[in-house]
Amino acid sequence: DIQITQSPSILSANIGDKVTITCRASQSIRSWLAWYQQAPGKAPHLLIYKASALESEVPSRFTGSGSGTEFTLTISSLQPDDFATYYCQQYSTYPWTFGQGTKVEIK
Amino acid sequence: EVRLVESGGDLVQPGGSLRLSCAVSGLIFRSYEMNWVRQAPGKGLEWISNISTSGIRTRYAEAVKGRFIISRDNAKNSLYLQMNSLRVEDTAIYYCASGRSCINDLCDDDMFFRRWGQGTLVTVSS
Repeated sequence: DIQITQSPSILSANIGDKVTITCRASQSIRSWLAWYQQAPGKAPHLLIYKASALESEVPSRFTGSGSGTEFTLTISSLQPDDFATYYCQQYSTYPWTFGQGTKVEIK
Repeated sequence: EVRLVESGGDLVQPGGSLRLSCAVSGLIFRSYEMNWVRQAPGKGLEWISNISTSGIRTRYAEAVKGRFIISRDNAKNSLYLQMNSLRVEDTAIYYCASGRSCINDLCDDDMFFRRWGQGTLVTVSS
């Protein structure tokens, strides 16, 4: 199975901060990576697919980059709705696997 | 508006069975592969099963292979998960999620989860 290591596990930041979350795959997944946001008590919500493609209606402050084994999600200016948990997911090879999650909390 | 609505979650004893359903509206159900993804309390996301548009091809995570069965009824726009030999570690919120679209056996590359239901809670406990 492809292992996805996501870091950090917890990220403390202020409104307006730029934050970056990283996912590393145990082998190349080319660009077959998605990012999801999950608010407390809610279902996950797709933000980014194919490593850098912004899902429809997702604010442009979310940016995905990377290919191969290293990927990043950047939020350019944190907004109140952005305090949530973020997951990356590889869909290169079955079984599809997720990172462990990054909780973005208010500093 | 696309809606996925899961149902069937319950409290069940270890070794028991349960059938989850997911009713889908707002998209051409028969054209989409479908998935089940679960989340144990306070934990991360885990993909557990996928089914092709016709229902002929199914895939499972090792953790549920041989115990869970995914199926679909395209006439009813519904996805199912038959869960047998349930274990305490199967306790989780179970989400149905849409996968890639396929037309005439030609599928796109979008094997991520674009649409999600709100989830249904399965608790396995004695």
